[in-house]
Amino acid sequence: NAGVTQTPKFRVLKTGQSMTLLCAQDMNHEYMYWYRQDPGMGLRLIHYSVGEGTTAKGEVPDGYNVSRLKKQNFLLGLESAAPSQTSVYFCASSYPRLAGEGYEQFFGPGTRLTVL
Amino acid sequence: QQPVQSPQAVILREGEDAVINCSSSKALYSVHWYRQKHGEAPVFLMILLKGGEQKGHEKISASFNEKKQQSSLYLTASQLSYSGTYFCGTEAGTASKLTFGTGTRLQVTL
Repeated sequence: NAGVTQTPKFRVLKTGQSMTLLCAQDMNHEYMYWYRQDPGMGLRLIHYSVGEGTTAKGEVPDGYNVSRLKKQNFLLGLESAAPSQTSVYFCASSYPRLAGEGYEQFFGPGTRLTVL
Repeated sequence: QQPVQSPQAVILREGEDAVINCSSSKALYSVHWYRQKHGEAPVFLMILLKGGEQKGHEKISASFNEKKQQSSLYLTASQLSYSGTYFCGTEAGTASKLTFGTGTRLQVTL
C-alpha cells in the first residue's frame, strides 16, 4: 500500500496563478483533510471531507477550494495564488470516529509551495 | 483555539527524560500526539481518548486529564532518534477534526 500520496512535491507560482494539489489514499478512508504548516504555527486545517461528494471548511479556508469526487482523492485548489499562501501543504486521511474509538490521521509527504 | 504546548523547546542529553504538556480550553474527546522530523510528514505516536487509559509503548507514554483538559507526553531514557518536533492535536468536535498545538522542539544530544 502506498498510503497517502501527494502531487506535486514542490511548486513555485507567480502571484495570481492557479493550481491544484492532488491527494490520493489507498486505505479506503472516509475522512480526508488538507492542512497548511507555517513556521511557528503548527498545522492548521484548511478544508476537510467526511465522504465522497462532501466538503467542509476548516480553520483557514479563505483563498482555497476543494473537491472530493472520488473517495480516494481529495483536491485542493488555489484560484489566484498570493504570497501569503506560501507554505507546506499536508493531506491526511482517517477512518470515521466510532463511539468509544479514535483513529489516527495518516499524513502524506507534503507539498512545498512558494508564491512569488 | 489552538491548544497550548509547553515547553516550546527542550534540549536533552541521551538517556535523560522529558515531559511535554498540552492544554486546551475546550472539552475534549481525544488527544493525539505526533512527531515530525525536519522536512518530513508528522508521524502518529498515540491517541488518548476521553475516559480511556494512559497509553504507552516502549519508552514513550502519555496521559490525559479530562478534568483539566490536559495531556502530557512522557519520554524516558531519550534516544537520538527522539529528536524532532512534537505536536499535540486535540479533538473536540465532529469529523475527527484536530486542532494542533504549535509544537515542542526536542533535541537529543550525545
